[in-house]
Parts: sequence; C-alpha cells; structure tokens
Amino acid sequence: KAGVTQTPRYLIKTRGQQVTLSCSPISGHRSVSWYQQTPGQGLQFLFEYFSETQRNKGNFPGRFSGRQFSNSRSEMNVSTLELGDSALYLCASSSSLRGRADTEAFFGQGTRLTVV
Amino acid sequence: DQQVKQNSPSLSVQEGRISILNCDYTNSMFDYFLWYKKYPAEGPTFLISISSIKDKNEDGRFTVFLNKSAKHLSLHIVPSQPGDSAVYFCAASAAGGTSYGKLTFGQGTILTVHP
Repeated sequence: KAGVTQTPRYLIKTRGQQVTLSCSPISGHRSVSWYQQTPGQGLQFLFEYFSETQRNKGNFPGRFSGRQFSNSRSEMNVSTLELGDSALYLCASSSSLRGRADTEAFFGQGTRLTVV
Repeated sequence: DQQVKQNSPSLSVQEGRISILNCDYTNSMFDYFLWYKKYPAEGPTFLISISSIKDKNEDGRFTVFLNKSAKHLSLHIVPSQPGDSAVYFCAASAAGGTSYGKLTFGQGTILTVHP
C-alpha cells in the first residue's frame, strides 16, 4: 500500500510569490490534514479536509488556503509569500470517519519551502 | 498558549538503558495521546498511543503512561538502541467538531542513544 506522497520535496520561492503544494493520501483515506513545522513554533495545524470540505482550520492568515479533490488528493496554497513562511509543510491522511486524528493519521515526507 | 509541552529539549542515554520522555498538557478536553518519532526532513512516524480511559499502553520496547490528574504522560523505551536516536513528539487529540483532523504537538525532545 503506497504511503502519503507530497510533491515537490523541495521548493525555493521569492517573497511575494505564491506557491502550491500537493498531497496524495493513502488510497481509501478521505481525510487530509496539513501542518507547518518551523524551528520556533514546532508543528502547527493548518487545516483539515474531508470529502472535499474543509472541516477545521488552524490559526493562520488567509494567505494560507487549501482544497481537496474528489479523489481525496489535496493542495495547499500560500499567496504573497513572506520570509517567515519558510518551513517544512507536512500532510497527514486518515481514514477516520469520526474526524479523530488518532492512530490512523499517516504523514508524508513533507515539502521543504524556502522563501528568499 | 502551548497546550502540549515537552520541557526537555534533549535527552542522552546509553545503549541498553531506559529512555524516559515526558509530556505535559493543559487542555482537559484532550482524550487521546500519541507519540511520534521524526527524523530530519521526514514526516513523523507513529509510535504508540493511549486513550484517556487507560493509564498504560505497551507495544514491544515502548510503553506510554498517562496520569490524567497530573495531566502528564511519559514514553519509556526499554532497552534503548542507537536507532532510536531521533526527535520524539508528543501529540494530543480531542473529540468534537473544532478538533477534526487536528493533532496538537509538543515542541519535541531530541533523543540521542550512545553505543
């Protein structure tokens, strides 16, 4: 069974640009959550999608957005990039119908975004 | 407001000895706790979890203890092996709509196991 796949693995962007990251969940998983990891803030929850609907959102500005497609693949977009957006972005997929992020959450390897 | 705290940034132990990683939480709505292991530039890998209805869960060399009254949990690794060297994250989950798909993580503890 293939794991969670995130593309690209590495990305360098300039301040003010926008970026789109992709996450393909484990086959059959309908829930995808996104996290940002930085040295100062640790792992912070961005948002969660289930069956193409955003069910939960973390405390991030509106520049951070996402969507989920009918095949459960998810994308997150960051517009007007700032230096502080440099981070490892992780997605996790889950089959949980209850929306619980428990043992069913499997993480991808992440996308390392560098903003210069 | 850090709801999950790992107060020890690092821990160093000798191979074969016990590693004890600690985690405290403040949100009483948390009812499910997990430990993840993470290598640099990789995603977290699930290790072990515990529900708030239990006080102990064991899986091979890994045991997690939960003290609800103290809002404290710990991960014991016995015996420790050099391959256990990684960053360990404690995470918590709650029920309810505002918690859909959300894990709240601690800051992590770097474990180094010396041969």
